[in-house]
Amino acid sequence: GAGVSQSPSNKVTEKGKDVELRCDPISGHTALYWYRQSLGQGLEFLIYFQGNSAPDKSGLPSDRFSAERTGGSVSTLTIQRTQQEDSAVYLCASSFRTDYNEQFFGPGTRLTVL
Amino acid sequence: GIQVEQSPPDLILQEGANSTLRCNFSDSVNNLQWFHQNPWGQLINLFYIPSGTKQNGRLSATTVATERYSLLYISSSQTTDSGVYFCAVGIYIQGAQKLVFGQGTRLTINP
Repeated sequence: GAGVSQSPSNKVTEKGKDVELRCDPISGHTALYWYRQSLGQGLEFLIYFQGNSAPDKSGLPSDRFSAERTGGSVSTLTIQRTQQEDSAVYLCASSFRTDYNEQFFGPGTRLTVL
Repeated sequence: GIQVEQSPPDLILQEGANSTLRCNFSDSVNNLQWFHQNPWGQLINLFYIPSGTKQNGRLSATTVATERYSLLYISSSQTTDSGVYFCAVGIYIQGAQKLVFGQGTRLTINP
């Protein structure tokens, strides 16, 4: 596609429910990244994929967060047993390669946990 | 970890004015990007500028990597330039480039 796409654009959920956020990177981009933007923490890195592999998961805030990527394309970020502090905008980015390359961002998913 | 500081935090100008936004970083970096976050939250790429100077219309940027800073210049400001400008530096983690963002400069251009 022309740009990075994310769905849903908005998600409201109840505390304790699971949510799935989807990212579709720019066609041909091998690297995919997830970030989170919240009022208190600014923009923070969560995880990246090179192909379908995520070598470093240390940026994920807790073990309730997981991510996967299939077919070297679409990625899903899953948050289990959501908490109010998970409320944020979740941004996905992609780049042609993982090294020395410009990252392009999607429009984000605004998650609100009630 | 690396620190990224942007200044000023807020800037209010009249249409037609020029502005300079600054980004300081505390360690060597592999990359530096400038973004404009529009009112809908979308991060728009402005510059990919690990070093040197680039220009795109009314915008230009300079990164002096040896002195660990970058500047974004906006000339003849328009109301559509309003929004938050982020500087992000790229650092390597296990073979991939992670972006570390500054806290942003909120620019308001009044008509």
